Amino acid sequence: GQQLNQSPQSMFIQEGEDVSMNCTSSSIFNTWLWYKQDPGEGPVLLIALYKAGELTSNGRLTAQFGTTRKDSFLNISASIPSDVGIYFCAGQLRNFGAGKSTFGDGTTLTVKP
Amino acid sequence: DVKVTQSSRYLVKRTGEKVFLECVQDMDHENMFWYRQDPGLGLRLIYFSYDVKMKEKGDIPEGYSVSREKKERFSLILESASTNQTSMYLCASSDLGRNSNQPQHFGDGTRLSIL
Repeated sequence: GQQLNQSPQSMFIQEGEDVSMNCTSSSIFNTWLWYKQDPGEGPVLLIALYKAGELTSNGRLTAQFGTTRKDSFLNISASIPSDVGIYFCAGQLRNFGAGKSTFGDGTTLTVKP
Repeated sequence: DVKVTQSSRYLVKRTGEKVFLECVQDMDHENMFWYRQDPGLGLRLIYFSYDVKMKEKGDIPEGYSVSREKKERFSLILESASTNQTSMYLCASSDLGRNSNQPQHFGDGTRLSIL
């Protein structure tokens, strides 16, 4: 099956710093999704991207759908302690497998006050 | 807002027991999914369903079965629980997109321990 490489695996940053993480794939996707999972909770959708080159923001979060359709990026500006958690990327192919998503292994973010 | 409810947050069972994990969604979604999440392994798809009584194997179906008798409910069954099935189990649902894929919405998970 398709594989997503998500990096970095973990990040330890100081409060106020900006954060960047990315996902790459060997094959294309039609949709890219970014989720955040708080400790002890299920993943929550942050941003959905449907078009190559699309750049979408959600507060301090900005995500981009790569022009090759094989990658996506998530940036968090001016991090705060509540940004702590695991961030997952996911890719989807249109009309394939009942809306199945392929997930990256996650980026664990730790923010030091 | 979409609500995906998993019946238990924490569950402890014994080796060999038959275990049922229940998931209910309130948004009339066609698609439902079961994942397990283990440290360093991300989310691995066990089974999914795109309609009532329909099911498809995911990437790691061995040792599991599922049931979808009603559209809103998707059950994961461990036929004979083993210690290597100790994990966090996540249920998700998504709408059937007419022109684009629809994102999955997750429950809060069931942390299952098999002793």
